[in-house]
Amino acid sequence: KAGVTQTPRYLIKTRGQQVTLSCSPISGHRSVSWYQQTPGQGLQFLFEYFSETQRNKGNFPGRFSGRQFSNSRSEMNVSTLELGDSALYLCASSLGGLGDGYTFGSGTRLTVV
Amino acid sequence: QKEVEQNSGPLSVPEGAIASLNCTYSDRGSQSFFWYRQYSGKSPELIMFIYSNGDKEDGRFTAQLNKASQYVSLLIRDSQPSDSATYLCAVGPNTDKLIFGTGTRLQVFP
Repeated sequence: KAGVTQTPRYLIKTRGQQVTLSCSPISGHRSVSWYQQTPGQGLQFLFEYFSETQRNKGNFPGRFSGRQFSNSRSEMNVSTLELGDSALYLCASSLGGLGDGYTFGSGTRLTVV
Repeated sequence: QKEVEQNSGPLSVPEGAIASLNCTYSDRGSQSFFWYRQYSGKSPELIMFIYSNGDKEDGRFTAQLNKASQYVSLLIRDSQPSDSATYLCAVGPNTDKLIFGTGTRLQVFP
């Protein structure tokens, strides 16, 4: 079956711009989580959506937002980009039950210049 | 104190040896524990999960959980050069908010 699809794979943006990243989970998975990965901080939890509702949120500023559609596809948006937002953004899908674990997409590499 | 702590390594082991990777966590309410492997330039992939105290074996991999001491470990038997990667420990109350450690880099040399 198809895996988790993230688009685009690479992005270069200028400070102050905004960006939207997309994630299509595995068919049947209703939970989508977003993580930011940087060499110094590792994987940092952004938020998790389940059935179009945000269930959990990490400690990121309000410039980071997301949403989930009825087909479980999810988008995350970062407004007013800063240099420190340069990172690999990973989306993970899950059935949401104990022990199900995540399946990660290939990620979107965002570079802010 | 970080919520999930791992030694960053690198942990270097010879081919055929046992690699032991450790992780401690701070939230006593944690219920689910996962190990992910991440090759350089790739996304993490799930290796194992465990949620009961004790050992869980899957092929060359064994996960060990001790909730009283708040640690979880991963043993890799008969280590191969292809096991060289960063191993991420993830902990959560359930699956909807996993907190990851920063990972331990494992190097298996021939």
